[in-house]
Amino acid sequence: NAGVTQTPKFQVLKTGQSMTLQCAQDMNHNSMYWYRQDPGMGLRLIYYSASEGTTDKGEVPNGYNVSRLNKREFSLRLESAAPSQTSVYFCASKAVAASYNEQFFGPGTRLTVL
Amino acid sequence: DQQVKQNSPSLSVQEGRISILNCDYTNSMFDYFLWYKKYPAEGPTFLISISSIKDKNEDGRFTVFLNKSAKHLSLHIVPSQPGDSAVYFCAAKKREGGGADGLTFGKGTHLIIQP
Repeated sequence: NAGVTQTPKFQVLKTGQSMTLQCAQDMNHNSMYWYRQDPGMGLRLIYYSASEGTTDKGEVPNGYNVSRLNKREFSLRLESAAPSQTSVYFCASKAVAASYNEQFFGPGTRLTVL
Repeated sequence: DQQVKQNSPSLSVQEGRISILNCDYTNSMFDYFLWYKKYPAEGPTFLISISSIKDKNEDGRFTVFLNKSAKHLSLHIVPSQPGDSAVYFCAAKKREGGGADGLTFGKGTHLIIQP
């Protein structure tokens, strides 16, 4: 089991460019999440998907869109990147009946917007 | 406003001693608390959690204590080992109907285990 995988690992964009961050999990989890982590900060929730076909805003959704393509995949899109979106992005997933309410995280995508 | 606070950005402990990491929260809608460990350039990994109806949970060298009246929890690691050097995040989950699903994280504490 690969767990949660994210692509790409690194990306540099110019202001105004668009890109999609990909996330996939092979644990048959229903819920998936996107977080961002800025230097010296904790992770903040951008969007989440409780099940296939549903998505909801988290704490910091502005400037982002998401797609829950199927049960395995949850993508995050930046339509017009801004320097304030420079961050490390983490995808996570969780089972419905998670014993400890734990989420499993991917390795992250480090994004720099110039 | 920060709903989950970790007031110590870093903590240095000698190998073999006890490490105590602290966390405070403000939101009464939290019903589950988790600790994550993070190494550089990796995603956070789950360590241990506790339900708000309990006051202690133990797993090997790791114990989490919850003081609900003080809105305070702590993670104890004993004995501390060199591999424990990492950033530790305290996180909290809101009860159903309490808002967006997902975890609210503190800023983290960088634990350094000295040989």
